[in-house]
Amino acid sequence: NAGVTQTPKFRILKIGQSMTLQCTQDMNHNYMYWYRQDPGMGLKLIYYSVGAGITDKGEVPNGYNVSRSTTEDFPLRLELAAPSQTSVYFCASSFWDRNEQFFGPGTRLTVL
Amino acid sequence: DQQVKQNSPSLSVQEGRISILNCDYTNSMFDYFLWYKKYPAEGPTFLISISSIKDKNEDGRFTVFLNKSAKHLSLHIVPSQPGDSAVYFCAASEVGSSNTGKLIFGQGTTLQVKP
Repeated sequence: NAGVTQTPKFRILKIGQSMTLQCTQDMNHNYMYWYRQDPGMGLKLIYYSVGAGITDKGEVPNGYNVSRSTTEDFPLRLELAAPSQTSVYFCASSFWDRNEQFFGPGTRLTVL
Repeated sequence: DQQVKQNSPSLSVQEGRISILNCDYTNSMFDYFLWYKKYPAEGPTFLISISSIKDKNEDGRFTVFLNKSAKHLSLHIVPSQPGDSAVYFCAASEVGSSNTGKLIFGQGTTLQVKP
């Protein structure tokens, strides 16, 4: 039981490049979330999903897209990377009736 | 608009003493509160939670207190151990009938426990 896994762990992008951050969970959780954490700040919700085929915006969705084709996977897409997207990204998941979210180890992204 | 605030960026305590981490919130619709612990280069891990129908929840060395009228909660760690040194995040959610599990996080407090 690996929990929530994220790839890659680190990535450096040039301005305007695109990439997909991968997230997979093996706990059969219905809900999945993407957060970003900037230095000295808390986690801000980017997008979330309450089930396969259902996604919705969080607090800071601009510049990102998501999809949820399966229960297990919830990839986050950056289409045109900007320096403001330099951050640490965390994926999390939970059961529908529990608020305790389980987090992945994070992806540290730098946009230069 | 910061709905969940942790006004102390850092806290340093001696091993064996009590650590008290504080959190304030502004949204009266929040009815479930959680504390997460985060070590460097790792994701946050769930520590303890409390529902708004309670004013205290205890789990081993960790106790969370909720004061709804003051919109304030605190995490007590007794006794503090060097392994407790980490960043602690307070989080809040509205459970309700349309529960999406969304959490609003505070900025975090870095706890250092000195041997």
